[in-house]
Amino acid sequence: SQELEQSPQSLIVQEGKNLTINCTSSKTLYGLYWYKQKYGEGLIFLMMLQKGGEEKSHEKITAKLDEKKQQSSLHITASQPSHAGIYLCGADGSGNTGKLIFGQGTTLQVKP
Amino acid sequence: GAVVSQHPSRVICKSGTSVKIECRSLDFQATTMFWYRQFPKQSLMLMATSNEGSKATYEQGVEKDKFLINHASLTLSTLTVTSAHPEDSSFYICSARGHRAGNTIYFGEGSWLTVV
Repeated sequence: SQELEQSPQSLIVQEGKNLTINCTSSKTLYGLYWYKQKYGEGLIFLMMLQKGGEEKSHEKITAKLDEKKQQSSLHITASQPSHAGIYLCGADGSGNTGKLIFGQGTTLQVKP
Repeated sequence: GAVVSQHPSRVICKSGTSVKIECRSLDFQATTMFWYRQFPKQSLMLMATSNEGSKATYEQGVEKDKFLINHASLTLSTLTVTSAHPEDSSFYICSARGHRAGNTIYFGEGSWLTVV
């Protein structure tokens, strides 16, 4: 079965600093989704990547999928307290079923 | 605004009773919805796939008689926790994708279940 590993598990950064979260899959990714969650709340969709080498940006967040489609990174530029939360990568590894397997999450704290 | 809505957001029930959680797609028809469970400080665990007009598909280890799923329409799936026990207390969250939503998978706000 497919497994996703996120690193780091937690991160504390000073406001204004850049940061990167990685998501590595044990198998080729069909689709890779990034979500943000506040504990005990719903998941907020950030970005979806499907093609090898694909890169998408929204505001200060950029996500990339490597050419081999086994690793993705999420980069936040000039972090703000509003970026704090749990970042989850989810993989649709069995062929566009919509069924996602998630990494364990990365908890981000941004210090003002 | 939300494209997938769950109700209730929080529910407390007594042991032995059943409780129903609804998941609705608001802007699109969802032929398939998914139910997840999230334990404290952990990631999401897929429980089952809810298929409109047919039986749900359960993941290994999930009791289908305990977690009843009904997908009666293209915009509504329900999860009923039957004969609830305190160990069923958890955060339950659904997701949906449909023809008009493209490949984006949206999640509901989640439902906190506490069994006392």
